[in-house]
Amino acid sequence: QITLRESGPTLVKPTQTLTLTCTFSGFSLGTSELSVGWIRQPPGKALEWLALIYWDDDKRYSSSLKSRLTIFKDTSKNLVVLTMTNMDPVDTATYYCAQGRYGGYGSGSYYRNWGQGTLVTVSS
Amino acid sequence: DIVVTQSPDSLAVSLGERATISCKSSQSVLNTSNNKNYLGWYQQKPGQPPKLLIYWASSRESGVPERFSGSGSGTDFTLTISSLQAEDVAVYFCHQYYTTPCSFGQGTKLEIK
Repeated sequence: QITLRESGPTLVKPTQTLTLTCTFSGFSLGTSELSVGWIRQPPGKALEWLALIYWDDDKRYSSSLKSRLTIFKDTSKNLVVLTMTNMDPVDTATYYCAQGRYGGYGSGSYYRNWGQGTLVTVSS
Repeated sequence: DIVVTQSPDSLAVSLGERATISCKSSQSVLNTSNNKNYLGWYQQKPGQPPKLLIYWASSRESGVPERFSGSGSGTDFTLTISSLQAEDVAVYFCHQYYTTPCSFGQGTKLEIK
């Protein structure tokens, strides 16, 4: 059974850096073609793709947020970390991590398994 | 970046009737090398994470009822629910993963008429 769980602060102040951890079980990010992605959803709004990391440590980012995001993995501990700098109230959202499978040919991933998400509020 | 646009934004359908949601991408998501369309559909109910329904535009995820089907190619795609059930009330999102950055549609809210 594959599970993912997001953890991190529920409240951050503007200009602070957000650090979120995705801890997973049931698969290894050392396995070929697997990935973990981060997606967020402001309250009542659409999903927004943020970043992903592949089994081979290849990393991809949202164009609009690339300068603020960093993703890395610890394969031995089954976790992926996402950091987002210079947080703003518009970054208030539920942040999800999800397990993906590489689609080949330089593509992204579709996401079969998702965490429950963690709501992060940005407010002073 | 590829922009994905869904229509309509909301939809009300009677129980047992067909529901159809459209998704258009700003450029083709068909890979001619493997003849696969890099398009997925997700269902999201209140307070829950999205659930994968369809991938490769028309492949139904394991455990998803047969009344859900995906079709289309290139830039135009459709999610069809053949006979709407009460438990299908949700928001539906399409997702292109042809290239990164990936992108989601804005969502379609499906309700019972």
